[in-house]
Amino acid sequence: VMTQTPLSSPVALGQSASISCRSSQGLVHSDGGTYLSWLHQRPGQPPRLLIYKISNRFSGVPDRFSGAGAGTEFTLKISRVETEDVGVYFCMQSTHFPITFGQGTRLEIK
Amino acid sequence: QVHFIQSGAEVKRPGASVKISCKAFGYSFSSHLLHWVRRAPGRSLEWVGWINSDYGVTKYSPKFQDRVTINSESSANTAYLDLRSLTVDDTATYYCAAGTTKGRGAFDLWGPGTVITVSS
Repeated sequence: VMTQTPLSSPVALGQSASISCRSSQGLVHSDGGTYLSWLHQRPGQPPRLLIYKISNRFSGVPDRFSGAGAGTEFTLKISRVETEDVGVYFCMQSTHFPITFGQGTRLEIK
Repeated sequence: QVHFIQSGAEVKRPGASVKISCKAFGYSFSSHLLHWVRRAPGRSLEWVGWINSDYGVTKYSPKFQDRVTINSESSANTAYLDLRSLTVDDTATYYCAAGTTKGRGAFDLWGPGTVITVSS
């Protein structure tokens, strides 16, 4: 089970946001990798990959986005929030079967 | 440019079945696992299953195991999701997705989604 907090995050433009994701079991795979990703979904669009394997930023993702963590605790940080960052953020684990997602965190501009 | 195109929206009665498709362009299905993920209104993302088109191997979430089939036509570079015994709880947008460049769990390619509405 993947538990995200907070479920809603109102943030002022230019400020930072942080989203936590806790797994009910460790996410280190037998091959040594930790398969924890972060996705962003805007209304009416499919999800898009931001971060993979905890902290690797996908190509084209601004360096305002950073991922960190280990074991069962992971964090996505968004620095200098912009209007395009609104939407829902999901953590996803693919270490264990079945693949599971967090509940989602809705980022909004206040 | 690599992308997926999915079939159009469907409206079904409870108890019916639905089959939707996902066609790849600029990308060979046989290269990676092809996943199906859904998102119901107001809910989170939910993984349905995957197919390895090279070997015809599939893996399904236990939640859907009894009523889902994923298959593919390699010659058409198309995958299909067949979901049976529909209930109103199956109302959702269904996405095909794949990890094409960064390996396991890094779903970097997503289809636009197919809306399935189940209503009496």
